[in-house]
Amino acid sequence: GQNIDQPTEMTATEGAIVQINCTYQTSGFNGLFWYQQHAGEAPTFLSYNVLDGLEEKGRFSSFLSRSKGYSYLLLKELQMKDSASYLCAVTTEGGSNYQLIWGAGTKLIIKP
Amino acid sequence: EADIYQTPRYLVIGTGKKITLECSQTMGHDKMYWYQQDPGMELHLIHYSYGVNSTEKGDLSSESTVSRIRTEHFPLTLESARPSHTSQYLCASSATGFISGANVLTFGAGSRLTVL
Repeated sequence: GQNIDQPTEMTATEGAIVQINCTYQTSGFNGLFWYQQHAGEAPTFLSYNVLDGLEEKGRFSSFLSRSKGYSYLLLKELQMKDSASYLCAVTTEGGSNYQLIWGAGTKLIIKP
Repeated sequence: EADIYQTPRYLVIGTGKKITLECSQTMGHDKMYWYQQDPGMELHLIHYSYGVNSTEKGDLSSESTVSRIRTEHFPLTLESARPSHTSQYLCASSATGFISGANVLTFGAGSRLTVL
């Protein structure tokens, strides 16, 4: 089968750094997405990795290792507004969204 | 400002009623999708469309139907709602081709349906 695993919930302190892991087992691979979803709101795009390595975007970075089926999202200088769920998704064929496999999301709680 | 709109945001109805969840986007995207999301669970694709008059069922079996008569509009209809249909329904769209290598989804704010 195809599946994506993420921790259900994580807690971190304002100003700190947190790493959210995602492991995947899929029949194909054509890229990995991270989306952020605040409670009661729409998911919004954060990052996309298709090659191994680290992609940095301001306070957020995303890493991919295709050989290990592993990705992480790194959030630095945490702010209270970063409290949200973080969704990992893998596209398995040609970037077609109908082939997106989603993780259940990691709920990140930021404490003052 | 949202570029993809869903109505209603919240709906509580009785069993057996027919409902339509509306989704419209102003970005000119040719691809549109309906996802179902339950608390703490992954998104499940229930329908998608790659353009006008093109609709397909997704991975999750659903008793709903969709139509795509206009590029910007992708409504989802349940002919006879049941309590098992209680869930959050998310509409999304994307453009053909790639932006920075990614076929990125833009989501609406969701329609939360409760069937009593």
